[in-house]
This record gives sequence, structure tokens and C-alpha cells, in this order.
Amino acid sequence: AQKVTQAQTEISVVEKEDVTLDCVYETRDTTYYLFWYKQPPSGELVFLIRRNSFDEQNEISGRYSWNFQKSTSSFNFTITASQVVDSAVYFCALSESSYGNKLVFGAGTILRVKS
Amino acid sequence: NAGVTQTPKFRVLKTGQSMTLLCAQDMNHEYMYWYRQDPGMGLRLIHYSVGEGTTAKGEVPDGYNVSRLKKQNFLLGLESAAPSQTSVYFCASSYVRREQYFGPGTRLTVT
Repeated sequence: AQKVTQAQTEISVVEKEDVTLDCVYETRDTTYYLFWYKQPPSGELVFLIRRNSFDEQNEISGRYSWNFQKSTSSFNFTITASQVVDSAVYFCALSESSYGNKLVFGAGTILRVKS
Repeated sequence: NAGVTQTPKFRVLKTGQSMTLLCAQDMNHEYMYWYRQDPGMGLRLIHYSVGEGTTAKGEVPDGYNVSRLKKQNFLLGLESAAPSQTSVYFCASSYVRREQYFGPGTRLTVT
């Protein structure tokens, strides 16, 4: 069965610090997709990234970067030089090829960035 | 494009009352989903649809029903609301094997 674990319930950092959000997943499929979503205080869910299981290249988008390691079943998310606007709940999610397109979410990590 | 919209944004029900939540998308997505979000539990899938006229159960389907009569709409019904159904409900849509796009959510309180 598929499972996503975000062990960090809450993280607090000071502006300009780098922060890494951890995500560990479990799956029996060889084909699967991993996602990160951001939920700011306003409540909407914002898609950040999608990664398929055959692409282990790290990705960088501005201050955001993602590290995908199949050997440790992890898909970690790093924010460089954090800003107050990064304060949000961040969800990691998994979709298995054999499970249709359904997402299984982790419990989320609350990130608080203080000025 | 409006993306994914949900109606209503807020609702308060008494135990035993019924209601329908409406989700609409204008992106021509085949797949649509209903999730509930509870504190500390992330989002959990209630029901989903892979196309017009089809629906299937997700992780927590009990107490809910859905219908997808038109491709762009996905309705979530509560026939007899219970306090345990107090939650924030999100609708989402996607192409096959692509990222899901979410609506703004509906905050439902059952007293």
C-alpha cells in the first residue's frame, strides 16, 4: 500500500535561512509520481512540482529545489533564503500508476518564517 | 479561465440535514476528485471520477455520494450530515497522470 510520511510537523526559521522539508514515501509500484503542494494561510492548494519515478534528476526553480532519491524513497524540498511569504503548510503526495491518478497525501509540514 | 470553482464557500448544517457541494472546472479535465482536509491528517480522497458518468470510491467514502452527469461538474452529496463530517472539502481536477488542480475549498460545519 502507498504511504507518504512527513515527519516534521512544524518548522520555524528566521528569514533568509535555508530550510529543508522531508518527505518519505512507500510504494510497491515501479511507476509512480511525486508531488509537492503549498497551502498558504488563505487556504488554497498550489501545485509546486511533479516528478515521475524514472527521473531522479534534482530540480531547481528559483529559491526552490527538490532532491529525489529512490534509494532512500525520499523526495525532499529545500527553500533557499526563506521569506515570510513562504510561510505555509507544505504537502508531499504520491500517485501510483496502478492506482489511477489518485493522490495520497502526507500530513503536511507547517513552515513558519519569521522576519 | 476560472480553473476549479466550488460552491458554496461556507456552510453550517444541523445533524441530519442534507446538502450538495458543487464543483466545476473549465480545463476540460477528464478526472475529478473530492477530498476532505482535517487537522493533522492531510487530505483524504472521498470519491473520484475518471470521466463523465463514472464515479468510484476513495479512501473515506462513507456518508457521501457523488455524481458526474457532465464532464465539467462533479457533485458531492451528504444525505444525512453528522458532526464527524465537519471539515474543509476540496475538489480537484486533472488530465490523466498529471498534476491535480484544486478549488478554493468549502468549509462545512455540522452542529
